[in-house]
Amino acid sequence: GAVVSQHPSRVICKSGTSVKIECRSLDFQATTMFWYRQFPKQSLMLMATSNEGSKATYEQGVEKDKFLINHASLTLSTLTVTSAHPEDSSFYICSARDLSLGPLYGYTFGSGTRLTVV
Amino acid sequence: DQQVKQNSPSLSVQEGRISILNCDYTNSMFDYFLWYKKYPAEGPTFLISISSIKDKNEDGRFTVFLNKSAKHLSLHIVPSQPGDSAVYFCAASAGSGGSNYKLTFGKGTLLTVNP
Repeated sequence: GAVVSQHPSRVICKSGTSVKIECRSLDFQATTMFWYRQFPKQSLMLMATSNEGSKATYEQGVEKDKFLINHASLTLSTLTVTSAHPEDSSFYICSARDLSLGPLYGYTFGSGTRLTVV
Repeated sequence: DQQVKQNSPSLSVQEGRISILNCDYTNSMFDYFLWYKKYPAEGPTFLISISSIKDKNEDGRFTVFLNKSAKHLSLHIVPSQPGDSAVYFCAASAGSGGSNYKLTFGKGTLLTVNP
């Protein structure tokens, strides 16, 4: 089945530094990738949708200059949290959509990244 | 505004019994509905889905029912097993309007199946 690799799984960084999270589709081409954020005991909140070769579409309230998304190839999307602050500490999850499977089956999630900003 | 609602934050059932997880939605444009299972510190894994043209979809122990008029769906797990213990998320997407079929998630229901 479709596999999405996300890393790092866990990262601790100092306040003010930047952190990059990678999301790769291993055995399919993902023209669309999604980035989510999950707070404890909360839902997965969509942050942005990225399409290969074009600018990401950010959800309302998400700072595009703070959460930089790059989707340079059909198998790789990256999320960079710039100038991280403790309030950015969260669980970040990516999802890649396999168009060949249609909207009922085509979403595969990465294993998530636990970001802690100290 | 929560477009997908899972009003029960937790559910506890005995092994072998039926688990019923409920989900309500408000956006009438949603036409695809998916259920995911999630363990702590892991990404969601797909369980079962249904499109709005159907009212039932079954896959082994899992059945999803959709009531479009009530904007309500439910996931039935029978028989429930201790390994089913996890958080279950309901998600919905709209196929039109250039939305890229992005998923909107509920807050999840923690299912505990007791041996």
